[in-house]
Amino acid sequence: QSALTQPASVSGSPGQSITISCTGTSSDIGDSNLVSWYQQHPGKAPKLIIYEVDKGSSGLSNRFSASKSGNTASLTISGLQADDEADYYCCSYAGSGTFWVFGGGTKLTVL
Amino acid sequence: QVHLQESGPGLVKPSETLSLTCTVSGYAITYYYWSWIRQPPGKGLEWIGYIYYTGSTNYNPSLKSRVTMSVDTSKNQFSLKLNSVSAADTAVYFCARGGQLWGGFDYWGQGTLVTVPS
Repeated sequence: QSALTQPASVSGSPGQSITISCTGTSSDIGDSNLVSWYQQHPGKAPKLIIYEVDKGSSGLSNRFSASKSGNTASLTISGLQADDEADYYCCSYAGSGTFWVFGGGTKLTVL
Repeated sequence: QVHLQESGPGLVKPSETLSLTCTVSGYAITYYYWSWIRQPPGKGLEWIGYIYYTGSTNYNPSLKSRVTMSVDTSKNQFSLKLNSVSAADTAVYFCARGGQLWGGFDYWGQGTLVTVPS
């Protein structure tokens, strides 16, 4: 069981917007600005898309945005495109004892 | 361009030690933290631990008793040893740049599947 909770799947049609949530606790997301998001296509390595809660990685489309409120972080993808179909993982720093925890991943399907 | 490449056996017998090496090119290993992250087939990501070029390490508490990481700055490599493996350790193992208290895991190797038969 993953430390951070994500929905197993979300879906949307091309052009629509979707939001993926990532729920943790006051010991990780709630106490850290070191929340990151990763996109993983099948058979590939994860790719960093968001770091430090809401900062986009170099070259990232402005269709991707992220935020945090309390113990929950969120990733929003607007203007869905076919290539956005992938698994998405959140990650948070969880303090000097646990260090880094990931969510279980969310499969995004573009209908 | 930063490039990471994992290498090591793809099959490890139960109770034996899994050993992997990550070779970094395009960037000196003497900056940033360097991590190992694994992903069991069809499942999510799990951070294993990180190492700094000085040899300083921190590990996932759930794996700490079985994990050892080391670094060889002369070869720009870092390594992972996981002992007493079982089928539950079957996973794709990724090396990645990151683990420090800023940024994220920004560069990843392609991953290598390590199978421990049951």
